[in-house]
Amino acid sequence: QVQLQESGPGLVKPSETLSLTCSVSGYSITTGYYWGWLRQTPVKGLEWLGSIFHSGTTYDNPSLKSRVSIPIDTSKNQFSLRLSHVTAADTAVYYCARIWGASGYVEFWGQGTPVTVSS
Amino acid sequence: DIQLTQSPSTLPASVGDRVSITCRASESITMWLAWYQQKPGKAPNLLIYKASSLQSGVPSRFSGAGSGTEFTLTISSLQPDDFAAYYCQQYRTFPLTFGGGTKVEIK
Repeated sequence: QVQLQESGPGLVKPSETLSLTCSVSGYSITTGYYWGWLRQTPVKGLEWLGSIFHSGTTYDNPSLKSRVSIPIDTSKNQFSLRLSHVTAADTAVYYCARIWGASGYVEFWGQGTPVTVSS
Repeated sequence: DIQLTQSPSTLPASVGDRVSITCRASESITMWLAWYQQKPGKAPNLLIYKASSLQSGVPSRFSGAGSGTEFTLTISSLQPDDFAAYYCQQYRTFPLTFGGGTKVEIK
């Protein structure tokens, strides 16, 4: 059974870069599938941030204006989220996920990690 | 971006009821729609993909229907474990987008 676990700071200062890591167990990320990040807020609901394939192919949400990058570390079976120049609007619960297909549905979700942007 | 509108936003219901939730897309997404269930403090859980395909392990009382711009999630006989929020998601094109959610609550 695939399991995903997010880790990283729960508090980030405005204008800094939010960094989270997703550790995957029960499946090798180099075998296939896309791996992605989503977030959820009471106001905007669920929002897809971006996805990556183990080859390095990435897709990201244009609404984030190129602030997103998703590094992947196949040796550790992990992928990460880097969201630059954060503001209070980036306060959310962040989820990592396994996505079926390049543009697909979310088969497996991490448990989610709350991140607050505040000075 | 493709907008998804769910209705109703809140659905009061009782155990044993047949309930339906609608998701309307701002343009055709053919069959590329998924449904999720989310309970408080938990991640969403995939119920249905490709509009009507039941994810493995999901009870058969859940079903999905529709194509194009209008879709429905139906629970044939509501169980106590089904009181939760439900979301639709389109994956015809990037960016992937979600509906605003429907909360099924105890009447």
